[in-house]
Amino acid sequence: TQLLEQSPQFLSIQEGENLTVYCNSSSVFSSLQWYRQEPGEGPVLLVTVVTGGEVKKLKRLTFQFGDARKDSSLHITAAQPGDTGLYLCAGEGQAGTALIFGKGTTLSVSS
Amino acid sequence: DAGVIQSPRHEVTEMGQEVTLRCKPISGHNSLFWYRQTMMRGLELLIYFNNNVPIDDSGMPEDRFSAKMPNASFSTLKIQPSEPRDSAVYFCASSSYVGWGGELFFGEGSRLTVL
Repeated sequence: TQLLEQSPQFLSIQEGENLTVYCNSSSVFSSLQWYRQEPGEGPVLLVTVVTGGEVKKLKRLTFQFGDARKDSSLHITAAQPGDTGLYLCAGEGQAGTALIFGKGTTLSVSS
Repeated sequence: DAGVIQSPRHEVTEMGQEVTLRCKPISGHNSLFWYRQTMMRGLELLIYFNNNVPIDDSGMPEDRFSAKMPNASFSTLKIQPSEPRDSAVYFCASSSYVGWGGELFFGEGSRLTVL
């Protein structure tokens, strides 16, 4: 069974701080997606990474896919209160298996 | 453009009652997914339809759960009889991609509480 472990589970920081959250697995994924979910809403896609070692940037957010395509990280520079939310990673299995979601990292940024 | 529309947003019912959740996917999307989200288990896939046909229902917990997609613009998830452990937020998502690698567009969810 493919599993995605996300860490930390909860993160509470001050505005302006930098942070990194992780998404790890023992399985190889064809692609990996990152979503952000705000309270009372559904998840919204931030980025998809496909190639091992790939780095994508979305304003202050930097996403990296591990070389072996088993892990990924999300780095936020100078966090803002608007970054508050649940960050979910989701992996597409190699054998055409279902998209697997991690349990997420809940980020709280206070001003 | 309208996104994925789910109803009801909130449902409170008593154990043993039938619950029906509804979903209207984004027009033109041919893949539809039902997920369940709880604090303990996170987001779990229940069932995946492609072109109205169930492709993967391995996540459906048991015979009490059933899902249908009679046409491209409507799907239902039914729980009969409901139990307290079914309490969760149920999400419907649609995609224009066939398979698992595309962007999922989620609805706002239906929060179910079974007393």
